[in-house]
Amino acid sequence: DIVMTQTPLSLSVTPGQPASISCKSSQSLLHSDGKTYLYWYVQKPGQPPQLLIYEVSNRFSGVPDRFSGSGSGTDFTLRISRVEAEDVGVYYCMQTIQLPYTFGQGTKLEIK
Amino acid sequence: EVQLVESGGDLVQPGGSLRLSCAAAGFTFSTHWMSWVRQAPGKGLEWVANIKHDGSGVHFVDSVKGRFTISRDNAKNSLYLQMNSLRAEDTAVYYCARVVGWFHLDYWGQGTLVTVSS
Repeated sequence: DIVMTQTPLSLSVTPGQPASISCKSSQSLLHSDGKTYLYWYVQKPGQPPQLLIYEVSNRFSGVPDRFSGSGSGTDFTLRISRVEAEDVGVYYCMQTIQLPYTFGQGTKLEIK
Repeated sequence: EVQLVESGGDLVQPGGSLRLSCAAAGFTFSTHWMSWVRQAPGKGLEWVANIKHDGSGVHFVDSVKGRFTISRDNAKNSLYLQMNSLRAEDTAVYYCARVVGWFHLDYWGQGTLVTVSS
């Protein structure tokens, strides 16, 4: 199975400041079709997960442009340019290049 | 608006069975793969199973193979998860999710809680 490792596991950020979460996969997520199957989700308190970023860097519908994704191969990053109070939650990366699809452990974002 | 509503979660004894349902609305259900993902209390997310749009293909995580069955009824816009030989470690909130693109999940239901305990 592909292991997804996120760092840090928690972070506390002052509103208006940036935040960054790293996700490393145990195998390359680059498919032979040229696409990279890495996704980011956020689970806000008491809610189901919601899609933020698909295929490394594409924001899902309605996702604010303060969220951005980057990376390639096995190393990926989710950045929030200016954290807002509503961004509190647990952020997960996920790979779908190989079964079973696997998630990172999650990174809990708190507001200072 | 895409809507996914799970039901069927309950308290069940180890070794017992349970059938979860997911009612879909707001999209053409019959053209989408669908997934189940679970989350044990206080833990992270675990993908459980996928089913092809016409039911002709299914995939499972190893820990549930041979115990869980995924199915769908496109006429009823419904997804199911039949869970047999349940274990304490199957205790979780089970989410159904719509699959798009290369098997990623764009919309999720609110989840239904399954508790396996004597």
